[in-house]
Amino acid sequence: DTGVSQNPRHKITKRGQNVTFRCDPISEHNRLYWYRQTLGQGPEFLTYFQNEAQLEKSRLLSDRFSAERPKGSFSTLEIQRTEQGDSAMYLCASSLFSGEETQYFGPGTRLLVL
Amino acid sequence: RKEVEQDPGPFNVPEGATVAFNCTYSNSASQSFFWYRQDCRKEPKLLMSVYSSGNEDGRFTAQLNRASQYISLLIRDSKLSDSATYLCVVNLGSGNTGKLIFGQGTTLQVKP
Repeated sequence: DTGVSQNPRHKITKRGQNVTFRCDPISEHNRLYWYRQTLGQGPEFLTYFQNEAQLEKSRLLSDRFSAERPKGSFSTLEIQRTEQGDSAMYLCASSLFSGEETQYFGPGTRLLVL
Repeated sequence: RKEVEQDPGPFNVPEGATVAFNCTYSNSASQSFFWYRQDCRKEPKLLMSVYSSGNEDGRFTAQLNRASQYISLLIRDSKLSDSATYLCVVNLGSGNTGKLIFGQGTTLQVKP
């Protein structure tokens, strides 16, 4: 499968713990996005990278959230000191930025904070 | 006001029906428009891009009215497999940011 992959697919953690999610984009894609989706809502933008540069961060991304894409390939999203309100589906998408851009989404990581 | 607004539904229609979804967006600088489909507990998948001239893909027709900041999706001859949530999506433009702004989604349930 050459699509976007995300790991883990599911994560249950206790409040206050740190969690890290990984996203592997489609190999030739230079842009990588993170979104968060809660029940009954559409995905909300968190941040994105072009190659290894983080170009934009949403105000939704509090100080407890950090994302990296160190070599311009895979990306990690870390949430420190998780809160129950962090429970959501975290979606990664990638695209090839070349004029018209289509984002392809991974299957997501579903986080439940107890 | 939400940046992209959709009627969440649900729309319950019989097989073979024609159904239309509408969406409005608030930022007049928006440049790209899409409909994504999302099945329950799955990731969103691009259904079609939306152009000012209108575009059609089989049973699906999308329209954009920039003056009214309004986007529509028409599904003809509904199939059971069309049951899903349809997300209206806007992009300010790939020259600036690639981030997508999603509506809440409209749920469609096609019944036999």
